[in-house]
Amino acid sequence: DADVTQTPRNRITKTGKRIMLECSQTKGHDRMYWYRQDPGLGLRLIYYSFDVKDINKGEISDGYSVSRQAQAKFSLSLESAIPNQTALYFCATSDLAGGGPSTDTQYFGPGTRLTVL
Amino acid sequence: QKEVEQNSGPLSVPEGAIASLNCTYSDRGSQSFFWYRQYSGKSPELIMFIYSNGDKEDGRFTAQLNKASQYVSLLIRDSQPSDSATYLCAVNRGLNAGKSTFGDGTTLTVKP
Repeated sequence: DADVTQTPRNRITKTGKRIMLECSQTKGHDRMYWYRQDPGLGLRLIYYSFDVKDINKGEISDGYSVSRQAQAKFSLSLESAIPNQTALYFCATSDLAGGGPSTDTQYFGPGTRLTVL
Repeated sequence: QKEVEQNSGPLSVPEGAIASLNCTYSDRGSQSFFWYRQYSGKSPELIMFIYSNGDKEDGRFTAQLNKASQYVSLLIRDSQPSDSATYLCAVNRGLNAGKSTFGDGTTLTVKP
């Protein structure tokens, strides 16, 4: 079974709708992230969480919100979807344990392809 | 100026050649550097990381770091068609930084 799972894998919705993307992990990692990727571009950080009580905005958080329901679960919501939020969304985890230089190696889920019409 | 810059490519090399991918970064406080490979439509996966100046080798892959010049590179020896992918460079400030910053990636095509 995959260590980081995302649901749904594909979603088509209409402008103005509320959408939730879910991420679950079995890696036991404390840190979780949400990124979006647009064609030809790298990963842009939306939100990240160091633990259940810690939520931080990334570089493009406007229009998004998150919820860290448990160590293993991190959800991303689009309160009122708009067409320029059409993108590929990735959840990722990383592990602080050990504190070595590989800290923050990111382990990615398979992605959710979101289309907003 | 972007925090992490990569040539977007596409970079095309013949099979068996050495592919050289470059990345520059602006934050002199960066301590850890990562190379991820992303196949089309798939999620990124770690190839290797480096944190000390110099070279680090892992099989056909060699990462090179020069903190004074603020660049990190990835060499792929004996390139194979299966190496065709987008390569993402990522940097972070180390243990308590909390997050990595990614470049836009370089697309590599290895032609048989």
